[in-house]
Amino acid sequence: DIVMTQSPDSLAVSLGERATINCKSSQSVLYSSNNKNYLVWYQQKPGQPPKLLIYWASTRKSGVPDRFSASGSGTDFTLTISSLQAEDVAVYYCQQYYSFPYTFGQGTKLEIK
Amino acid sequence: QVQLQESGPGLVKPSETLSLTCTVSGGSISTYYWSWIRQPPGKGLEWIGYIYYSGSTNYKPSLKSRVTISVDTSKNQFSLKLSSVTAADTAVYYCARGDDYGEAGAMDVWGQGTTVTVSS
Repeated sequence: DIVMTQSPDSLAVSLGERATINCKSSQSVLYSSNNKNYLVWYQQKPGQPPKLLIYWASTRKSGVPDRFSASGSGTDFTLTISSLQAEDVAVYYCQQYYSFPYTFGQGTKLEIK
Repeated sequence: QVQLQESGPGLVKPSETLSLTCTVSGGSISTYYWSWIRQPPGKGLEWIGYIYYSGSTNYKPSLKSRVTISVDTSKNQFSLKLSSVTAADTAVYYCARGDDYGEAGAMDVWGQGTTVTVSS
């Protein structure tokens, strides 16, 4: 199985400041045939299901605010919130869909400082 | 707008079979992949498996011997059966849909989740 490791486990950021979450996979999730990274980012607020934010590692889903951006390739990925809003408090998960079984990172809890 | 709704017993006895159904509304179950994911209390997410509308499946290997996912296109539903459950199977169970690009693993529509507790 591909192991997904996120850092940090928790993060406290002031409103309006930048938040950065990292995700590392135990093997590459980049398909050379189409040059796509099979990695997504989800946001999960308390009592709610996860919400897809980013797919192909860096493509923002329609309707997701542009303060959310993501980058990375191969084994190292980053989710950035450029200016933290109160509604961004949540747990964020990365997940690979390069190979079975699909696996998630352990989650990063984002709070307001 | 497609919506998913999980249903099934909230309490299952140890060694018995957990059975859940996901009803798809606002769209067709056809041409998409449909997954089950679970989340133990206070923990992270675990993918259980998926089914394509045609009936082909893929399961997490560590659960494969106990899992069956099936689809009923006439009812716009798909189902999860997990046999020989233990307390470790206690979790919120989510159903979800793969994305419009045909990627099962990019799950862009989720049900609200249903809590299943395994206890005698």
